Amino acid sequence: KNEVEQSPQNLTAQEGEFITINCSYSVGISALHWLQQHPGGGIVSLFMLSSGKKKHGRLIATINIQEKHSSLHITASHPRDSAVYICAVSPGGGADGLTFGKGTHLIIQP
Amino acid sequence: ETGVTQSPTHLIKTRGQQVTLRCSSQSGHNTVSWYQQALGQGPQFIFQYYREEENGRGNFPPRFSGLQFPNYSSELNVNALELDDSALYLCASSRLPGAYEQYFGPGTRLTVT
Repeated sequence: KNEVEQSPQNLTAQEGEFITINCSYSVGISALHWLQQHPGGGIVSLFMLSSGKKKHGRLIATINIQEKHSSLHITASHPRDSAVYICAVSPGGGADGLTFGKGTHLIIQP
Repeated sequence: ETGVTQSPTHLIKTRGQQVTLRCSSQSGHNTVSWYQQALGQGPQFIFQYYREEENGRGNFPPRFSGLQFPNYSSELNVNALELDDSALYLCASSRLPGAYEQYFGPGTRLTVT
């Protein structure tokens, strides 16, 4: 069973700061997902990646398969980025669902 | 918005009762996964359906069961409700099982009293 660890659990920063959230996992995967969850529950997929780096707007996600580690970066953070960011992994086979980390609760203060 | 819908939004049940939650998948998706998210925790995988068959299951007892219909909509049924079943239940659809982007519904908040 894959263990997915995220750090930090909670992060408060000022508007404009560069944000980094880290994720590590214990067993080989087929893909890693970064998800965003707002109060009220809805989850939005930000990235799915299996190698290298992806960028979308102010968000950047990287993954190092050998080190079993991924990072999510937010540049020029804004209060609307405040949310819970969750790392989840797809196992090597196809028949199991995602295994999730506990999430990072991010607050961006104006 | 993802195009995945869930109903109802909120539900209150009494211990011992049975409940059915519903999910309508994104168009073109034949795989649906169900997750349970307790307060302050990450979601936990319940099971996955692919082409109307259960395709994988997490560590949940048999009183959690499901169905997927020919139009790929899905149901989660929970029998003999327990207080610990109180949680947010999320469904997610994808084009196929495995490493495909997951599209999540807004969730159903179940409270068991």
